[in-house]
Amino acid sequence: NAGVTQTPKFQVLKTGQSMTLQCAQDMNHNSMYWYRQDPGMGLRLIYYSASEGTTDKGEVPNGYNVSRLNKREFSLRLESAAPSQTSVYFCASSETPGGIGGYTFGSGTRLTVV
Amino acid sequence: AQSVAQPEDQVNVAEGNPLTVKCTYSVSGNPYLFWYVQYPNRGLQFLLKYITGDNLVKGSYGFEAEFNKSQTSFHLKKPSALVSDSALYFCAVRDPSGGFKTIFGAGTRLFVKA
Repeated sequence: NAGVTQTPKFQVLKTGQSMTLQCAQDMNHNSMYWYRQDPGMGLRLIYYSASEGTTDKGEVPNGYNVSRLNKREFSLRLESAAPSQTSVYFCASSETPGGIGGYTFGSGTRLTVV
Repeated sequence: AQSVAQPEDQVNVAEGNPLTVKCTYSVSGNPYLFWYVQYPNRGLQFLLKYITGDNLVKGSYGFEAEFNKSQTSFHLKKPSALVSDSALYFCAVRDPSGGFKTIFGAGTRLFVKA
């Protein structure tokens, strides 16, 4: 009963390096999301995919790209990491766009950019 | 634009006492409202939602929330707090007329003392 799986759990990058955060869900959900969590700011939406084959920008998309590889997988790429991207990243999924039934979240990726 | 506010950074309550975690929102239309809980080093877990209908909604772990349209509030409540309820609580709102974006509050840390 995996739900939403994120890899890696922890990562340290140097400024300017690139990396991809992976997310996969096994609930046959149509919609997937990437959020970042920063102290005192709650969760902010980076990108989302309402359905397979579509992606849209959220509140804070600058410096990120996404790929909805198939219905199960939604990856987040940092092309040139900056210290401001130090954060905890959460992937989530929902059965329908916008998550009227609520979101299922992964356990997060803690990213530090030095 | 939609927004959500959690006016208290931390709520302290004694075990066995009732608890309230406050949330106010701003949307242009009728809101979809949600509460999530986050335990240390974990992703967010869905607690309850208000979409339409009865203003008092019941959720997981004995929690409930009351939708008040005139006060634009959606406070989370529990009649008798447990030490195990200590966690970070997030209120979230979605304006169904504004697309698929769900906006989260900054979070309120609940501390239940034995």
